[in-house]
Amino acid sequence: GQNIDQPTEMTATEGAIVQINCTYQTSGFNGLFWYQQHAGEAPTFLSYNVLDGLEEKGRFSSFLSRSKGYSYLLLKELQMKDSASYLCAVRDQSDYKLSFGAGTTVTVRA
Amino acid sequence: DAMVIQNPRYQVTQFGKPVTLSCSQTLNHNVMYWYQQKSSQAPKLLFHYYDKDFNNEADTPDNFQSRRPNTSFCFLDIRSPGLGDAAMYLCATSVGVPSTEAFFGQGTRLTVV
Repeated sequence: GQNIDQPTEMTATEGAIVQINCTYQTSGFNGLFWYQQHAGEAPTFLSYNVLDGLEEKGRFSSFLSRSKGYSYLLLKELQMKDSASYLCAVRDQSDYKLSFGAGTTVTVRA
Repeated sequence: DAMVIQNPRYQVTQFGKPVTLSCSQTLNHNVMYWYQQKSSQAPKLLFHYYDKDFNNEADTPDNFQSRRPNTSFCFLDIRSPGLGDAAMYLCATSVGVPSTEAFFGQGTRLTVV
């Protein structure tokens, strides 16, 4: 099985940087994903990590350490539209099961 | 163009009356997932298919069944919906190889009255 933990809520100011941490335990690792979800909408893909290190995509970056079972999503130059829930998801190696953490609600204040 | 399509977007059903939610994909992906998501909670995996291989989560109630008649379509059947089954139901697909994301449909919001 997979245990995925991330903080429940974070608040930051417009223009600032926020880092959302995710820790996981899995019997077989086949990638970690970050999704953004606005209220009432489906999750949308942000990033994917399968090897250790940092993946950068514009204002969003994601980091993975497989040995530590740890990832973070870094949101830079925050905008009001970034207020959303951010979901960490881990895929299992054996059967492609994709499990989600409880999500971190980020609120961006003016 | 939408690649993962869920119908309907909103479904109202009566307590105890069977209901079927549908998902179709134009991506030819091997893997299809069904998730239940309640307000302010993470998506909870109900089951998933790798091709025709069905994987049921241990805590998915027997009330929930699924069918995948072909690669493109997958159905979620709720045999006797209860008030606690009111939720957003999300379908997702992915290619069965590493480094590929899961694509989500827009979801079906189920209301039980």
